[in-house]
Amino acid sequence: AQRVTQPEKLLSVFKGAPVELKCNYSYSGSPELFWYVQYSRQRLQLLLRHISRESIKGFTADLNKGETSFHLKKPFAQEEDSAMYYCALTLNYGGATNKLIFGTGTLLAVQP
Amino acid sequence: DTAVSQTPKYLVTQMGNDKSIKCEQNLGHDTMYWYKQDSKKFLKIMFSYNNKELIINETVPNRFSPKSPDKAHLNLHINSLELGDSAVYFCASSAQGRNEQFFGPGTRLTVL
Repeated sequence: AQRVTQPEKLLSVFKGAPVELKCNYSYSGSPELFWYVQYSRQRLQLLLRHISRESIKGFTADLNKGETSFHLKKPFAQEEDSAMYYCALTLNYGGATNKLIFGTGTLLAVQP
Repeated sequence: DTAVSQTPKYLVTQMGNDKSIKCEQNLGHDTMYWYKQDSKKFLKIMFSYNNKELIINETVPNRFSPKSPDKAHLNLHINSLELGDSAVYFCASSAQGRNEQFFGPGTRLTVL
């Protein structure tokens, strides 16, 4: 079955420290993975997708098919990074639509 | 302002009542979704429509009935509300053939 696992419910770091939010997936096909971010009381926003291999707000994520992981990393955390982060796997329905399967989310708290 | 919008933002109601949440997107997308975020912040898809046609229906009680009058709107009607329906409901949309989903601001439903 398709599944996304985020083992940490809460990750607390100090400002300037490195951050790694873990994500593992289970999917028999070729995965397409995303990181979404939800700042306090705001809508979900797309942060990163693995196919674009870009860095957004200093965050990067590399798809590791061998380890079935898509960890989110940032070398130096900022207070404004504090938010809920969701890893998501997309399942396609013949091109007409797709379904996002979300992990349980990790709350990142960056302390001053 | 191009976006996904939802009304109302907050909805407080008594058990047993019937209520509706509206969603509109002006992004020109063909596919729209409803997600439920429970008290533990877990996000799960409920429905997906593509060009007014139901594509995904995830084991949601039939008290929940989505309606898509046109491809820019996907409303959610809930009959006989129960305490367990209390959650934040997010609407989202995506373009044909694209996996990125754009989310609305959410509707916080509280059933007393």
